Amino acid sequence: NAGVTQTPKFQVLKTGQSMTLQCAQDMNHNSMYWYRQDPGMGLRLIYYSASEGTTDKGEVPNGYNVSRLNKREFSLRLESAAPSQTSVYFCASSEAFGTVGGNTIYFGEGSWLTVV
Amino acid sequence: AQSVTQLDSHVSVSEGTPVLLRCNYSSSYSPSLFWYVQHPNKGLQLLLKYTSAATLVKGINGFEAEFKKSETSFHLTKPSAHMSDAAEYFCVVSPISSGSARQLTFGSGTQLTVLP
Repeated sequence: NAGVTQTPKFQVLKTGQSMTLQCAQDMNHNSMYWYRQDPGMGLRLIYYSASEGTTDKGEVPNGYNVSRLNKREFSLRLESAAPSQTSVYFCASSEAFGTVGGNTIYFGEGSWLTVV
Repeated sequence: AQSVTQLDSHVSVSEGTPVLLRCNYSSSYSPSLFWYVQHPNKGLQLLLKYTSAATLVKGINGFEAEFKKSETSFHLTKPSAHMSDAAEYFCVVSPISSGSARQLTFGSGTQLTVLP
């Protein structure tokens, strides 16, 4: 029962470094998402992939890129990390796209990223 | 347009006493409403969801919530708190017919502390 798996769980970066957060789901879901969580702000959508082969910007896409590698995997890349990108990042997936009919979104356990 | 307000950032209860976590929403559309729970260093787990069926929704671990359209509220309750309920809780709203994950709006969270 792995569900949504993210790696790494913790990472410290220096300003200007790049890194990729990996995400995989084993539920055969069509849609995948990347969120960031900051204190007092709930979760904000960075990028999403409605289906394999498509990606689109969310609420806060600046400074990030994504790749939907296949149906299972959706990675998030920081090309040049900035201190403002210090956050907790969550990957998520859902069977259908969006929230039609209360479609449930399932979350990974998070990746704690600190940029110094 | 839509928004969600969690009225308390922190709630403390004694073990065995009732829990009430308050959520008000606004939405231009008929809403879907969700409650998620996040334990420390874990991802978000769905507790329950409302999608225009019964207004009293039962979830996991003894939680339930009642959709009150006249009050635009979706408060989360549990009759008797357990130590394992200590976590952060998020209220989430979206249009019920949304085909876009961009319209999933998270509250800022309520931290529940359970005292022995």
